Amino acid sequence: GENVEQHPSTLSVQEGDSAVIKCTYSDSASNYFPWYKQELGKRPQLIIDIRSNVGEKKDQRIAVTLNKTAKHFSLHITETQPEDSAVYFCGYSGGYQKVTFGTGTKLQVIP
Amino acid sequence: DTGVSQDPRHKITKRGQNVTFRCDPISEHNRLYWYRQTLGQGPEFLTYFQNEAQLEKSRLLSDRFSAERPKGSFSTLEIQRTEQGDSAMYLCASSLAGLADNEQFFGPGTRLTVL
Repeated sequence: GENVEQHPSTLSVQEGDSAVIKCTYSDSASNYFPWYKQELGKRPQLIIDIRSNVGEKKDQRIAVTLNKTAKHFSLHITETQPEDSAVYFCGYSGGYQKVTFGTGTKLQVIP
Repeated sequence: DTGVSQDPRHKITKRGQNVTFRCDPISEHNRLYWYRQTLGQGPEFLTYFQNEAQLEKSRLLSDRFSAERPKGSFSTLEIQRTEQGDSAMYLCASSLAGLADNEQFFGPGTRLTVL
């Protein structure tokens, strides 16, 4: 079936600390794993994605790791800033098709 | 603005009425998706199109919901005989199907309130 578990549901960190959000999926055919950031009242926006032939991808302060054997992937944000405060959604897709999203993690960065 | 646009941004209706939403994707994008998002949840897939063909519908989608993309450009989502449980944000997204492109760009959404 199609299911993705996302943890934690809420996360508070001090400015400058790191934040880690984890997701576990069930569909073995998944090969695309995006992460979206949604600020209050705004549309979701892609911040980073990874494909199944890659184990890790980094873009400045953001990195994503993928473990296909264990079927889990994680978002890592280093040197957090107040503007990182938002809800983050993981997702997975079996191709150029629909994305199944997690339930979200509300990240609060405390100045 | 060359991003995904949706109209209207807000819709308040009475239970039992029909509503129709419009989505205009990024012009060169051939894939268009509809999602529904309720408070505290991630977007939930409803249906998607490649060009004018509707390729998949969620099994959870009631037969009161119908979507079209007649010319492969804009799309409409109609909800007939609305119920209070239909209250949600309806998001449209588009993407360009290709070897590497898969990013879905979201519109601002239409917030539906059914009284």
